[in-house]
Amino acid sequence: SYELTQPPSVSVSPGQTATVTCSGKTLTNNHVSWYQQKPGQSPVLLIHGVTERPSGIPERFSASISGNTATLTITETQAMDEADYFCQAWDGNTAVFGGGTKLTVL
Amino acid sequence: EVFLVESGGGLVQPGRSLRLSCAASGFTFDDYAMNWVRQAPGKGLEWVSGIIWTSDYIVYADSVKGRFTISRDNAKKSLYLQMNSLRPDDTAVYYCVKSSGFYLVDWFDSWGQGTLVTVSS
Repeated sequence: SYELTQPPSVSVSPGQTATVTCSGKTLTNNHVSWYQQKPGQSPVLLIHGVTERPSGIPERFSASISGNTATLTITETQAMDEADYFCQAWDGNTAVFGGGTKLTVL
Repeated sequence: EVFLVESGGGLVQPGRSLRLSCAASGFTFDDYAMNWVRQAPGKGLEWVSGIIWTSDYIVYADSVKGRFTISRDNAKKSLYLQMNSLRPDDTAVYYCVKSSGFYLVDWFDSWGQGTLVTVSS
């Protein structure tokens, strides 16, 4: 079955840049999305179409793709960015999520 | 503003059935595909099923195929998930999730607050 691989955890200092990767076959299309989930809350759409940011999402959040790896980048990371981050793509008409990355802001 | 409100979760014994509902508001319900996504306690997200705006095309994750049935009532602006032959590994928070377009291969732009389903004897 199709899998998306994310690192289980990433740590970053406040004000620094955090990167979260997501690897999988056939990620070289426009159907990669990223979601943020804070403790006790529902996921929120961060990025869609590989790089597009919905209204209301700070410019600090950006994403890119190279080969079979998508990358979420958070610049000037703040304490409020501490959360779980999930990538998501499509395997045909089946949605697949990465295992999630817990971002800790130290 | 989009609102998705799930209901119907609870404690159920293995092998029994449960029906989840999702009441939608704040958008034209029949213009969008809808989905169920679940999250086991302390675990990641797992897409369960999706249904396009006309109900003509439905897809299930392998883990629930043959046991779960997704449906929608556009007149009532509601999404449903009939869950049969429940197993302990179906224990999760179930989210009602709106797609960004008519069809399934789009992003998930709105999520409900979730309803907890616990399968245990």
